[in-house]
This record gives sequence, structure tokens and C-alpha cells, in this order.
Amino acid sequence: DGGITQSPKYLFRKEGQNVTLSCEQNLNHDAMYWYRQDPGQGLRLIYYSQIVNDFQKGDIAEGYSVSREKKESFPLTVTSAQKNPTAFYLCASSASGTGVTQYFGPGTRLLVL
Amino acid sequence: SQELEQSPQSLIVQEGKNLTINCTSSKTLYGLYWYKQKYGEGLIFLMMLQKGGEEKSHEKITAKLDEKKQQSSLHITASQPSHAGIYLCGAVRGGTSYGKLTFGQGTILTVHP
Repeated sequence: DGGITQSPKYLFRKEGQNVTLSCEQNLNHDAMYWYRQDPGQGLRLIYYSQIVNDFQKGDIAEGYSVSREKKESFPLTVTSAQKNPTAFYLCASSASGTGVTQYFGPGTRLLVL
Repeated sequence: SQELEQSPQSLIVQEGKNLTINCTSSKTLYGLYWYKQKYGEGLIFLMMLQKGGEEKSHEKITAKLDEKKQQSSLHITASQPSHAGIYLCGAVRGGTSYGKLTFGQGTILTVHP
């Protein structure tokens, strides 16, 4: 089955700790995205990557970092610099080009202890 | 203010009733996506509209794009409890070729049996 997987489903972060959220896709998509969703708000773009070894900041990149060493994988690290990390994090992927559809993973809920 | 405004923010209907959700953009629309989300889960792609006047249907859900009004509407006919969830619209940002999206804040739909 083709799709996008995210792990873990729930993640707890302690003060001053960095945590990494995993995102893997087997759709052979070039582009991958990370979004943050807060209650009552739409999705906000954190980082995106159009191709392996390349990525760009989205609208709310501060306190986050990413890597794109493999086409299938786009992990997101929430650093200690992110002061309000509690949110639902969604990963998406798409083919390259215009008019393409983004497909989403099941999400990871990050909570602060 | 939001680039994409959805209305209403929440909607409660009786099973069998018709309903409409609107998505209005403050900027030119180059393409509009509709997604559905169950609470705590990822987004499910419903449909994409690219041209003014375009209308698409999937089962009992119909979406239209009015380019002049910079607005899209999602209409559900004879609603069922399975239609309950959060509906989000996402607009393609101008000038980009890899489908970066801006999302509305979502409309929460409750369908009472």
C-alpha cells in the first residue's frame, strides 16, 4: 500500500529537549511538507522540500529544523528554541509541478511535560 | 487577518439536510483544494478546482469555484453522520510551481442522526 507514515502518534517533550518527528512516504513523491495545526486555526507551513538535499523555510520555521537526505524521508526536529511546541504536526507529500495534490500523513501530537 | 476565510466556523445539521460551506480568499485564487479531517487524524483529499466556474462532485459532495468572487463553496446533499468532521480549504499561492498551500481555519461539521 502506498502512503505516508508518521511516528510516533504522540510525543512528549521536556523543557530544553529537542525531539524529532518522523515522516516517511512510499509514493515516489519529490516534494514533502511539514505543517503545524493549532485549535481553531488552519494549517501553517513550517518547512518544505522540493527535492533531495534541498529544503526551504515556510511561514513559521523558527525553532524547527529539517533534513532531506533521502527521497522517502523528511524528519522534523522541534528544538528547545521553539517556545510553544504543543500542537498537531502533519506531514504531506506531492509530485512535482503545478496543480498537484498534497497527500497527508496521520499526524503526530506533540505535548510538553 | 486570514488570507482564506471559511464560513461558517461550525455547523450542526440534522441527518438528511443539505448544507454549504464557503471559502473566501483575499487574494487571487490560482487553485483551490478541499480536504476533510477527522479530529486527531490526517487530511483526506476531497477535490481540487483550478478554473473559474469549475464544478466537481464526489458522491454527495459538490464543490464550485467562483474566480470573480475569489470564493469556493462546498455543498453536501442529504448529509449523513459519516460526513461529520472538519472541512478545510487550501489555496495555491501564486507563482509557485510546487503547490505551496495556504489553508483556511476549517469548518467543523456535526451531523445528528
